[in-house]
Amino acid sequence: DVKVTQSSRYLVKRTGEKVFLECVQDMDHENMFWYRQDPGLGLRLIYFSYDVKMKEKGDIPEGYSVSREKKERFSLILESASTNQTSMYLCASSLSGGWGDTQYFGPGTRLTVL
Amino acid sequence: KNEVEQSPQNLTAQEGEFITINCSYSVGISALHWLQQHPGGGIVSLFMLSSGKKKHGRLIATINIQEKHSSLHITASHPRDSAVYICGRSRLTFGEGTQLTVNP
Repeated sequence: DVKVTQSSRYLVKRTGEKVFLECVQDMDHENMFWYRQDPGLGLRLIYFSYDVKMKEKGDIPEGYSVSREKKERFSLILESASTNQTSMYLCASSLSGGWGDTQYFGPGTRLTVL
Repeated sequence: KNEVEQSPQNLTAQEGEFITINCSYSVGISALHWLQQHPGGGIVSLFMLSSGKKKHGRLIATINIQEKHSSLHITASHPRDSAVYICGRSRLTFGEGTQLTVNP
């Protein structure tokens, strides 16, 4: 079974802190994604990566950056956390660049910024 | 206006009923995805389709490319089907989800 893990299920940070959210997949997938999910807005794509060191902006990249130094790991970085970044963050991966590939999701990190 | 619209937003059914959730999108797609999210947040990918129909157990997904519309059907619904169902365009843009509650 494909496993996508995220470093924390719950995280509380203060405004202005730099926050790292880690995502690891164990099936040699090429594509990895970071989404946030908010009530009334649904899932929104922040960034995705289709290869090591490659990244593409999604719909809402402002205030975020990403890092993919190794194939299995995709990190989301909040450079200076703000209260409007309080959300559920979901990581996902898929095998290759074909948009028909099954996407596997991690359990999510619920981030609260105070 | 969201590129992907779902209806209804909330749906309550009795066990055994046939359920339909609709998804309309406004721009072209390479694939449309249906996801299921259970209480607690875990998301599972149910279907990806770019044409026709797919079936998995009691779940059936259809898509009409010309009309830019997809439907997810659940036959013989069960309380364990209670979840949020989300459709997405090529994994880039998603609807807000449909909260389904199936009562015993």
